[in-house]
Amino acid sequence: QQPVQSPQAVILREGEDAVINCSSSKALYSVHWYRQKHGEAPVFLMILLKGGEQKGHDKISASFNEKKQQSSLYLTASQLSYSGTYFCGTGPPGGYQKVTFGTGTKLQVIP
Amino acid sequence: DAGVIQSPRHEVTEMGQEVTLRCKPISGHNSLFWYRQTMMRGLELLIYFNNNVPIDDSGMPEDRFSAKMPNASFSTLKIQPSEPRDSAVYFCASVERGNNEQFFGPGTRLTVL
Repeated sequence: QQPVQSPQAVILREGEDAVINCSSSKALYSVHWYRQKHGEAPVFLMILLKGGEQKGHDKISASFNEKKQQSSLYLTASQLSYSGTYFCGTGPPGGYQKVTFGTGTKLQVIP
Repeated sequence: DAGVIQSPRHEVTEMGQEVTLRCKPISGHNSLFWYRQTMMRGLELLIYFNNNVPIDDSGMPEDRFSAKMPNASFSTLKIQPSEPRDSAVYFCASVERGNNEQFFGPGTRLTVL
């Protein structure tokens, strides 16, 4: 079953922060985050494999709450280059192989 | 590295015609995935292969869809006969053994008239 993302869309001004949530009705073993810019292919951001795990690079980070069956992606001090659609994906134990993607969150950063 | 290569990039065809989409994964990657992306349904996994063997094809919508991977460097997705509702962007992605990052190709935009 497809994970649910919220919000569906968000508009930010440069420098503002945003949080994108990903929830699953089933047990979560791994959470994958991808970003897709308009007209391009999805690009891998990060994967979280353990409950309680947090990861990040640059000013984009994510957390994984296994008990709540949800993950959140945090974008701080947003830049114009952050614009795009963000997808979370849920996978089996171990993380790889079959990933079921959410419907996406469209993020637009404006000057 | 050239990345994942897909061809054609755009395909326009008429209903009832056969369509073949092609994918060359990154050299050394042993898993290959075919996805379909539409506004209504988002990014759907159609089928994936491990070491050229189909592992899960539960996402293939109908018998009109078939996929093959004759060797480690080539895969095809065929639709026969095509229908207007097959119009979508089809992505191929590959993964290195033991890794989690999926590398997506540029996609094929299919339009069935």
